[in-house]
Amino acid sequence: QVQLVESGGGVVQPGRSLRLSCAASGFTFSRYGMHWVRQAPGKGLEWLAVIWYDGSKKYYADSVKGRFTISRDNSRNTLYLQMNSLRAEDTAVHYCARESHISFDYWGQGTLVTVSS
Amino acid sequence: QSALTQPASVSGSPGQSITISCTGTSSDVGGYNYVSWYQQHPGKAPKLMIYDVSNRPSGVSNRFSGSKSGNTASLTISGLQAEDEADYYCNSYTSSSTNNYVFGTGTKVTVL
Repeated sequence: QVQLVESGGGVVQPGRSLRLSCAASGFTFSRYGMHWVRQAPGKGLEWLAVIWYDGSKKYYADSVKGRFTISRDNSRNTLYLQMNSLRAEDTAVHYCARESHISFDYWGQGTLVTVSS
Repeated sequence: QSALTQPASVSGSPGQSITISCTGTSSDVGGYNYVSWYQQHPGKAPKLMIYDVSNRPSGVSNRFSGSKSGNTASLTISGLQAEDEADYYCNSYTSSSTNNYVFGTGTKVTVL
């Protein structure tokens, strides 16, 4: 069965960096585009970034462009999100999700990032 | 890129049908048949309910259906059940900026 497991969240000070990981299993990871989506406490969903199946193309939301970098290691079946220059407004549960038919068909359980001094 | 507009809340009694709207622009909802819908229970990850406007993934009840007219997409839940009480979000591909995807504001469905 498809499984996505995020890790790497935690409490970080403003301006610092954090790297999230998403370990994939149960499907051929290298054949699928992958996304990061976040949800601030009590708020709605916000799309952050997508990376093509082979890593050749990456796109970002304006809110994180220049600060966040999406990447993947198909040999390790793992997706990453490098988050730099973190701000209080980046506090959220961060989900990784698999793309299918221009939608997100499987999601991880999420990892909480809290940006606070 | 602004979020797609959804009603904050919709309610219905068990067995009734309800419809949630999702309004965008010609750059997103109206321009592409790439609207999807997600159900999210408290503390849980979202679950895909509808993709490509009106297609149901395997395992999703046929009580859930999707449609689109112009710049507005809709999710209809028929035969409302207690377990349908959740938050629902629409999503669309967009060409309006480099934000390739945009979510709706979310709708809380309450089963009375």
